[in-house]
Amino acid sequence: KQEVTQIPAALSVPEGENLVLNCSFTDSAIYNLQWFRQDPGKGLTSLLLIQSSQREQTSGRLNASLDKSSGRSTLYIAASQPGDSATYLCAVRDSGNTPLVFGKGTRLSVIA
Amino acid sequence: IAGITQAPTSQILAAGRRMTLRCTQDMRHNAMYWYRQDLGLGLRLIHYSNTAGTTGKGEVPDGYSVSRANTDDFPLTLASAVPSQTSVYFCASSPQSGQGKETQYFGPGTRLLVL
Repeated sequence: KQEVTQIPAALSVPEGENLVLNCSFTDSAIYNLQWFRQDPGKGLTSLLLIQSSQREQTSGRLNASLDKSSGRSTLYIAASQPGDSATYLCAVRDSGNTPLVFGKGTRLSVIA
Repeated sequence: IAGITQAPTSQILAAGRRMTLRCTQDMRHNAMYWYRQDLGLGLRLIHYSNTAGTTGKGEVPDGYSVSRANTDDFPLTLASAVPSQTSVYFCASSPQSGQGKETQYFGPGTRLLVL
């Protein structure tokens, strides 16, 4: 059974700092991996999707990497801003017709 | 506006009552999902459907049922609500292209309080 772990559970950084959020998964034979953002009281918004054949994806100040052999993904946020404060969730899909399995998220606070 | 709608936005329900949470998507996605989100437990899958006419059980299906009569709608029913079903419920959908690019989209959620 696939299990996804995100460490740390919470993180507080000063504005402008570069930071890395970590995600690990137990079964390396994944189909794709997705990073989401969730603001308090809101639904989830997809940030980046990495296909199993890819090593990384970038969108603006966000860069997600994937190392299937070690069962890890990282989300790099450059020059963090207070507006980046949210919970970030990692999720993996084992095959094309199986649901995403989610980690519990990392709650990020960027302090001005 | 394309996306997923959920209704109601929030609900207070007496224990023992029947309740249906509605979910509609207009993106013609094959797959749809219901999750519940609880503090400290994260997102847990309740039921899913890979295509109209089929459904499957997730991690926490007990006390819930779903149907998928068409592509767009995926209602979740609590036959007899219990306080432990107090949670935030999210509906989601994704295409199934077989190309590894299937981004999953989420609705805004339904906040349910069972007393």
